[in-house]
Amino acid sequence: GESVGLHLPTLSVQEGDNSIINCAYSNSASDYFIWYKQESGKGPQFIIDIRSNMDKRQGQRVTVLLNKTVKHLSLQIAATQPGDSAVYFCAEKTGFNDMRFGAGTRLTVKP
Amino acid sequence: KAGVTQTPRYLIKTRGQQVTLSCSPISGHRSVSWYQQTPGQGLQFLFEYFSETQRNKGNFPGRFSGRQFSNSRSEMNVSTLELGDSALYLCASSLDGQTNTGELFFGEGSRLTVL
Repeated sequence: GESVGLHLPTLSVQEGDNSIINCAYSNSASDYFIWYKQESGKGPQFIIDIRSNMDKRQGQRVTVLLNKTVKHLSLQIAATQPGDSAVYFCAEKTGFNDMRFGAGTRLTVKP
Repeated sequence: KAGVTQTPRYLIKTRGQQVTLSCSPISGHRSVSWYQQTPGQGLQFLFEYFSETQRNKGNFPGRFSGRQFSNSRSEMNVSTLELGDSALYLCASSLDGQTNTGELFFGEGSRLTVL
């Protein structure tokens, strides 16, 4: 069936390094692909989104890349900081705020 | 501006009971959607409301229902609770569901434990 999934469940990086979190999707009909961050005890927080007709979008310290050929989405975090430690979800918007979320990747930043 | 507020934050129920969860969206936001988060199934879409109308529904049984009031506040209800309903229920709001963006504003959730 159609799904949004993640390659790795955990990722550990050194503070100051760049992080790359990957996501595979199978439903190419979505208009938007989104990354959310969830810290312990909190709800998901929007990081960045990308429209399906784009390949790359940059935000503050984050970049999202969309490869529609292989149905792959990635989130790059530059100069990773301890505050970036969280679970990161990719999601695709399939309808009226109907987000299909991936399983999540736990990012741990080592000092 | 206040964020999305969900009440109660924690609650414990027993099997067979019902529960009502409340969500107050960000002021001015007219779309409210609900998600269930569990370790096993992750984040799953329940339903979305806009202007008191349910516009979209996920793949959950009829025991899960919701409504939205004229002030955009929303409630969801789960009847005949089962152990598997134990989860974090998240509410999210946005200006409207047709906005061309993926940005939802989530509350901190209501953690339901069913014994």
